[in-house]
Amino acid sequence: AQSVTQPDIHITVSEGASLELRCNYSYGATPYLFWYVQSPGQGLQLLLKYFSGDTLVQGIKGFEAEFKRSQSSFNLRKPSVHWSDAAEYFCAVATSGYSTLTFGKGTMLLVSP
Amino acid sequence: ETGVTQTPRHLVMGMTNKKSLKCEQHLGHNAMYWYKQSAKKPLELMFVYSLEERVENNSVPSRFSPECPNSSHLFLHLHTLQPEDSALYLCASSQGTDQPQHFGDGTRLSIL
Repeated sequence: AQSVTQPDIHITVSEGASLELRCNYSYGATPYLFWYVQSPGQGLQLLLKYFSGDTLVQGIKGFEAEFKRSQSSFNLRKPSVHWSDAAEYFCAVATSGYSTLTFGKGTMLLVSP
Repeated sequence: ETGVTQTPRHLVMGMTNKKSLKCEQHLGHNAMYWYKQSAKKPLELMFVYSLEERVENNSVPSRFSPECPNSSHLFLHLHTLQPEDSALYLCASSQGTDQPQHFGDGTRLSIL
């Protein structure tokens, strides 16, 4: 069975600084990989996804993620963080389609002035 | 406006009560999902409906009973719940199970 590890429970970043959120997965074959964001009191919003092809994936809100097979990682990055990016971020893996999504425990991003 | 509406937003119930959570999607999707989000635990997929047929049930206790009367509506019927069932219950929909899911804002359930 697949699994997802997000090693950082909380991360604090200064506004305007760069961001990298870590995600490692465990799955024998090439997985489908996703990043979601959840603002307080709201549901999850898909930021980006990787199915195949180019390993650097562009998403919404200026986010990108890079699939590295050798490291079983799919880290999320943003070059300059805005205060509105403060939220919880979830990495997820699927073996086929979305009905088999397995989520990580999430990383809470705090943005300091 | 997310396109997926969940009601109620908050629900407090005793362990002997029976209640239902409702989800309605206005996106024309044909697949709907129930997730459970507990504190400090990963999001758990509970049920998946595709074309109004249940296609996945991840070992969920029978005190949770889903119903999908049509492609726009999904219910989660609750009875004899336990305190550990307190969580945020999220509904999602998608156009086919191989397309991105759109989430509602959830129902915060508290069991007394």
